[in-house]
Amino acid sequence: GNSVTQMEGPVTLSEEAFLTINCTYTATGYPSLFWYVQYPGEGLQLLLKATKADDKGSNKGFEATYRKETTSFHLEKGSVQVSDSAVYFCALSEFNQGGKLIFGQGTELSVKP
Amino acid sequence: GAGVSQSPSNKVTEKGKDVELRCDPISGHTALYWYRQSLGQGLEFLIYFQGNSAPDKSGLPSDRFSAERTGGSVSTLTIQRTQQEDSAVYLCASSFMGGRGNTEAFFGQGTRLTVV
Repeated sequence: GNSVTQMEGPVTLSEEAFLTINCTYTATGYPSLFWYVQYPGEGLQLLLKATKADDKGSNKGFEATYRKETTSFHLEKGSVQVSDSAVYFCALSEFNQGGKLIFGQGTELSVKP
Repeated sequence: GAGVSQSPSNKVTEKGKDVELRCDPISGHTALYWYRQSLGQGLEFLIYFQGNSAPDKSGLPSDRFSAERTGGSVSTLTIQRTQQEDSAVYLCASSFMGGRGNTEAFFGQGTRLTVV
């Protein structure tokens, strides 16, 4: 079945460091891919998405490119801020599997000043 | 309202009691999900409703858990004979199923369930 695997956390970075959170997926067809973020004490919200191969999703300085050849959707940011400290979830949705959202296990990011 | 609404926001119950958690999805959204998030853990899928299709119940952890969605809108998650390990935040989300799959899911704030 479909699945999503994220790099394990927690990830601790200094402010202005470069961030990469790896995400790879297994799917039978052509899923849509998502990154969700959960800030401390808040609900989950969509950070960015990509619906087809080679699409790049971007928001708030974060980017992720849908790579079909490597089945990956790595999240990157060039310069993190303390306010980026949160848990990040990679997810996929595939139409011919009923469209159900499948999440990775989440990666906790802590940014120190 | 404009977002996904869950109630109650907090629930403390005694072990062995039944609880009902409610979710009001965004109007017009065809898909509705229930997830569970334990302290420091990821998202555990529970159940998925999509339109008039039979729900995907593959994530329900035991037969003490059940959910229904009435009229394609409001959903209720019921936990019977609650146990301490049921303590968690229960999240509901809804989305719209387009031609290429589901659009982004919008999450509620969750119900924090504590079984004492």
